[in-house]
Amino acid sequence: EIVMTQSPATLSVSPGERATLSCRASQSVSTKLAWYQQKPGQAPRLLINGASTRATGIPARFSGSGSGTEFTLTINSLQSEDFAVYYCQQYDKWPTFGQGTKVEIK
Amino acid sequence: EVQLVQSGAEVKKPGESLKISCQGSGYSFTTYWIAWVRQMPGKGLEWMGIIHPGNSDIRYNPSFQGQVTISADKSISTAYIHWSSLKASDAAMYFCARQAYPSEFYSYNWFDRWGQGTLVTVSS
Repeated sequence: EIVMTQSPATLSVSPGERATLSCRASQSVSTKLAWYQQKPGQAPRLLINGASTRATGIPARFSGSGSGTEFTLTINSLQSEDFAVYYCQQYDKWPTFGQGTKVEIK
Repeated sequence: EVQLVQSGAEVKKPGESLKISCQGSGYSFTTYWIAWVRQMPGKGLEWMGIIHPGNSDIRYNPSFQGQVTISADKSISTAYIHWSSLKASDAAMYFCARQAYPSEFYSYNWFDRWGQGTLVTVSS
C-alpha cells in the first residue's frame, strides 16, 4: 500500500492570501496524483488530476505541481468558498488518500 | 448531467445486514467503473473496492475483502455495497464515485464524479 502523508493537518489563512498544501507519497507515483476538495456534509470534488491538470470548471487560482513523491496544491487569493478540507490521492497503485489538510479562516 | 444518487441514511444494529445503492444517470453506466469509498467520522477517505457494471469485474481493497460485497445491476444503472453482518466499526459515511475514463479493463485512476454519500449508523 502506498501511504500518502499530507501536511500541515490544519492551515490557517486569511482571505485573499495564498495557501500551500503538501502531499508526500511513500514511494514514487510519477504524476498519478489527484487533489479533491471536501466541504462539511458534502462529497469530495475533483480539483486536479495528473498532478497538475485542473478538472473541468475548476478556477485558475487552484494549481498543482510535483512528481515522484512530493506534490503541492497551491490556492492563490483564497476565496471564502475555498475554506474546506483537501485530500490528495495516488492512483499509481490501488488508490490511497492522504489524511487531509483543513484550510481554515485565520 | 452526470449524476450518482445514493440511497438514504441507515440506522442498523450490530449483526444486521445492509445493502446501500448508487444509481448513475446522464452517462453510459455500463462503461465506467464505480468505486465505493469509506469515510469514518472525522477521518479521511478509504477506497474499498470497485466494479465495472458492464462486465461485473470487481476488485477489492485487501483491507475490505471478505467484509463487504460489491455488485451492480446494469438494467437499472445501480451499483451496491452489501454487509451481511454489520459491526459497530462499520459506522461511517459511504460514497460511490465514478472512475474517470470509460474502460472495459481495470486500471488505477482518479474519480471525477461522486455520489452525495450514505450515512450508516450502527448501534445497539
